[in-house]
Amino acid sequence: DTGVSQDPRHKITKRGQNVTFRCDPISEHNRLYWYRQTLGQGPEFLTYFQNEAQLEKSRLLSDRFSAERPKGSFSTLEIQRTEQGDSAMYLCASSLVSNSYEQYFGPGTRLTVT
Amino acid sequence: GQQLNQSPQSMFIQEGEDVSMNCTSSSIFNTWLWYKQDPGEGPVLLIALYKAGELTSNGRLTAQFGITRKDSFLNISASIPSDVGIYFCAGPPKRNGGGADGLTFGKGTHLIIQP
Repeated sequence: DTGVSQDPRHKITKRGQNVTFRCDPISEHNRLYWYRQTLGQGPEFLTYFQNEAQLEKSRLLSDRFSAERPKGSFSTLEIQRTEQGDSAMYLCASSLVSNSYEQYFGPGTRLTVT
Repeated sequence: GQQLNQSPQSMFIQEGEDVSMNCTSSSIFNTWLWYKQDPGEGPVLLIALYKAGELTSNGRLTAQFGITRKDSFLNISASIPSDVGIYFCAGPPKRNGGGADGLTFGKGTHLIIQP
């Protein structure tokens, strides 16, 4: 399968703990995006990378959130000191620079903060 | 910010019926995308539209880019059970006076097919 993959698919954590999610994009895609989706809503943009450079961050990305793409391939999203409001589906997508609006999503990581 | 409003919120239809849904915005979008999401999965890209008035098909799905550039429409012909899911419209909003690559999504139209 050469689609976008995400790991883990589900994560349950206690409030205050740190969590880290991983995303592996489609191999030839140099753009990688993170979105968050809560129940009954569409995905909301968080941040994106072109190769290893983080080019845009939304105001939804609080100081407790940090994303990296150290070698321009996979990316990680870390949430520190999780809060119950962080419970959501975290989606990763990738695209080509030449066609950046056609974004292909992974299956998501469902985070539950108890 | 720029919001996308989808209508209807949900649809209950019989298998074999045609489906129509739309997406509107108070501001202009230069690209419209339609995605489908199944429960517990990520959205899957169905159709991308780049020009006002454009009509594009993907199998039984047809989408149109509205002439005003403030709306888009998705039609599904002869619905089948696997069409069940949530359909989202999306587009790149203008941020900081220019284009941006993070997409804005509507809240979705939930399609339910009754046997």
